[in-house]
Amino acid sequence: DTEVTQTPKHLVMGMTNKKSLKCEQHMGHRAMYWYKQKAKKPPELMFVYSYEKLSINESVPSRFSPECPNSSLLNLHLHALQPEDSALYLCASSQWTSGNEQFFGPGTRLTVL
Amino acid sequence: GQQVMQIPQYQHVQEGEDFTTYCNSSTTLSNIQWYKQRPGGHPVFLIQLVKSGEVKKQKRLTFQFGEAKKNSSLHITATQTTDVGTYFCAGLGQTGANNLFFGTGTRLTIIP
Repeated sequence: DTEVTQTPKHLVMGMTNKKSLKCEQHMGHRAMYWYKQKAKKPPELMFVYSYEKLSINESVPSRFSPECPNSSLLNLHLHALQPEDSALYLCASSQWTSGNEQFFGPGTRLTVL
Repeated sequence: GQQVMQIPQYQHVQEGEDFTTYCNSSTTLSNIQWYKQRPGGHPVFLIQLVKSGEVKKQKRLTFQFGEAKKNSSLHITATQTTDVGTYFCAGLGQTGANNLFFGTGTRLTIIP
């Protein structure tokens, strides 16, 4: 299995809702990432998990809360989001945490009303 | 902070013409990666360059890493409609952490 899966594909939520995005990989990769991508812009790194521990948080607001329950799963918990948080949220994984190619999932397209 | 710029932002070419995108970093990079994102898709890894002055080829694609490890280029020979998409370079800083900084991207469209 050489793919990263993400659920849901699409999500519409209100500003008071709580929702979660899920990401899964079964390639044995030890690093997992969350990116945010706005339309016609490059992906922006949000979080990096290395060996199931949070290693990088790129100054992301606390309304985004990542979680890595095990080496195959990565969640992103969402609470009290703003309309400007609407974007494509991409999960990625890589074998190690230093300079390896990253495998991206198809993303979750999030709309915040 | 680290910035990675790409030019041009957009490129429209006739099918069969060549295409080049250039990537420039404000800081020295330990390596550079290239990704392709099709419209409505997700980034897909193409290649990684590590050594100063390195050149790698994949069929019609030629990738180059500058001598100073601050710039890179991707050249596509004889473009095909399947080459449509946005090409991103992504630089890994010298700190050793695996935080890729994606370039601004070049969107390639092909006129059949």
